[in-house]
Amino acid sequence: GAVVSQHPSWVICKSGTSVKIECRSLDFQATTMFWYRQFPKQSLMLMATSNEGSKATYEQGVEKDKFLINHASLTLSTLTVTSAHPEDSSFYICSAGGEGDQPQHFGDGTRLSIL
Amino acid sequence: AQSVTQPDIHITVSEGASLELRCNYSYGATPYLFWYVQSPGQGLQLLLKYFSGDTLVQGIKGFEAEFKRSQSSFNLRKPSVHWSDAAEYFCAVRGFQKLVFGTGTRLLVSP
Repeated sequence: GAVVSQHPSWVICKSGTSVKIECRSLDFQATTMFWYRQFPKQSLMLMATSNEGSKATYEQGVEKDKFLINHASLTLSTLTVTSAHPEDSSFYICSAGGEGDQPQHFGDGTRLSIL
Repeated sequence: AQSVTQPDIHITVSEGASLELRCNYSYGATPYLFWYVQSPGQGLQLLLKYFSGDTLVQGIKGFEAEFKRSQSSFNLRKPSVHWSDAAEYFCAVRGFQKLVFGTGTRLLVSP
């Protein structure tokens, strides 16, 4: 089946630094990828839709300047959390696909901890 | 706007017993429906999907789900639960390419 790889799986960094998370579709091309955030014991919240070769579409309430998304190729999207603070600590999950009769396939997530 | 309701926050089932997880959706057109499973600290794995056709859908790991338009439901079932099925289960509906998730049901399996 389709595989989505997300890296890193876990990152700990100091407050004020920027963190980049990569999402790759390994065996299919994805014109659209999605970034979600999940708080402990809660559901997934869509942050933004990443479109290859164009600007991402952010959901209401998501800071575009805080969460930078780049989708430079059909197999790679990146999420950069800029000037991260403890409140940005969360579990971030990407997905790819979901076009036509295809389901979205999810990465294994990135646990981000800001100290 | 589309929405998904999973009324059970958590369910405990004895190993070997049958399982049914409830899901109700709200969507104006014919829905695309999904069930995903999430183990702790991991991403989501697709169990099954419904797009059209046969309303009883078979998935992986012995799961099945039945689409009932009259009840706006898409309940997940498994005839005999295994300890490894303990996880969080999410029902989702797709509208305009976006997935809308329910709040999830945590399945606990007792010996």
